Order: sequence, then C-alpha cells, then structure tokens
Amino acid sequence: DGGITQSPKYLFRKEGQNVTLSCEQNLNHDAMYWYRQDPGQGLRLIYYSQIVNDFQKGDIAEGYSVSREKKESFPLTVTSAQKNPTAFYLCATKIQGPNTEAFFGQGTRLTVV
Amino acid sequence: QQQVKQSPQSLIVQKGGISIINCAYENTAFDYFPWYQQFPGKGPALLIAIRPDVSEKKEGRFTISFNKSAKQFSLHIMDSQPGDSATYFCAASKGETSGSRLTFGEGTQLTVNP
Repeated sequence: DGGITQSPKYLFRKEGQNVTLSCEQNLNHDAMYWYRQDPGQGLRLIYYSQIVNDFQKGDIAEGYSVSREKKESFPLTVTSAQKNPTAFYLCATKIQGPNTEAFFGQGTRLTVV
Repeated sequence: QQQVKQSPQSLIVQKGGISIINCAYENTAFDYFPWYQQFPGKGPALLIAIRPDVSEKKEGRFTISFNKSAKQFSLHIMDSQPGDSATYFCAASKGETSGSRLTFGEGTQLTVNP
C-alpha cells in the first residue's frame, strides 16, 4: 500500500521541549517537503529536500530542524526555539522536476500544553 | 511575503450553485498553477492544475480559468454539492531545478448547504 505516513497524528509538547515528527514514504519520490498550516494563512514551507543528505530552508525555518539520511524518511524536529509551535504539520513528496503533483500525508497536529 | 493571494476566505453556496474562488500571483516566473482540496483532519489532495499556455481547463464540474496578463486564476465549481464542502488552496510554482516548491494561497473554506 503506497503512500506517505505521518506519525503521530496528535502530539503534545511541553514548554521548552523538543519534539520530532515522523514522515515516511514508499512512493520512491526524490523530493520531500514540510509545511505548516495555520488557520487563514495557508500552507507555509518549513524545509524541503531534493536528495538524500541535502535539504534547504523554506520560508519559516527558524525553530525547526530536519534530516534526510534515507530517501524514505524526512523527520522534522520542532525545537524549543520555535515560540509558537501549535499548528497542523503536513509532509509532502513529489517526483523530482517541474510541474509535478505534490502528495500529502495525513498531517500531525501539534499542541503546546 | 505572500506571493499568492486567495479570496474569499470563506464561501457559502447553495446546492446546485456555482462556487468561485479567485487567486492572484505576483511572480511572472510561475508556470504551474494547481488547486488542492482538503477535508478536515486530512492532507490536501490535487484537484486540478493548469499551465499558462492555456486559458481554461475543465475536469468534470471543476474548471480553472487563467488570465496571464492580469496574473489571476480562478476555480469554478459547477453544480456545487454538499460533498464539495472543504478547504480549497490555490498554489503556484516555477519550473526550476531547485525543488519546484509550491507557494500556496491562504485557503478558502467552502460550505455547500443542502
């Protein structure tokens, strides 16, 4: 069953804590992306990666970190430096190249408690 | 900075009516304009997409109209159904080698009343 798996579906973080969101794909797509979704602000790009061991900052990278050690996996760490982390986080993948469809996971809802 | 502006933020339509969502972009290098549909608690899914070499693309009840000179494009949903109730995002990207990242609009929450 091909697709993108994000886990966990719900995550609660205490103040000052780092948390890691998982994104795994078996679509054999080269490019992977992390977006943050807030009401009324659309989807904003946090980080993206085109190949293993390489990634670039998106528009709102501050307070986040990523790694791309395997083609299938692109975990996102929300660090304590991210002052307003409560949001819906979406992972996406694409075949490398222009004008190709982005496929999204089901998302992780992160809440600070 | 928001490179793709979407309106309205919310839209209520009666069943059978036409839903129209508009987007405007700034970057003339954009050359791919998809629309995504998102249901609550789910990730977005591609609905329909257009390239700037055509002015209109239709797939079933969904039509994209594209105006290159005005840098605007819109989604029309004909014969809107309650099952179309969702959040819709327009997006744009440019055909570059650096990841073809999508820039999204703010989203429109569509409610179709029965």
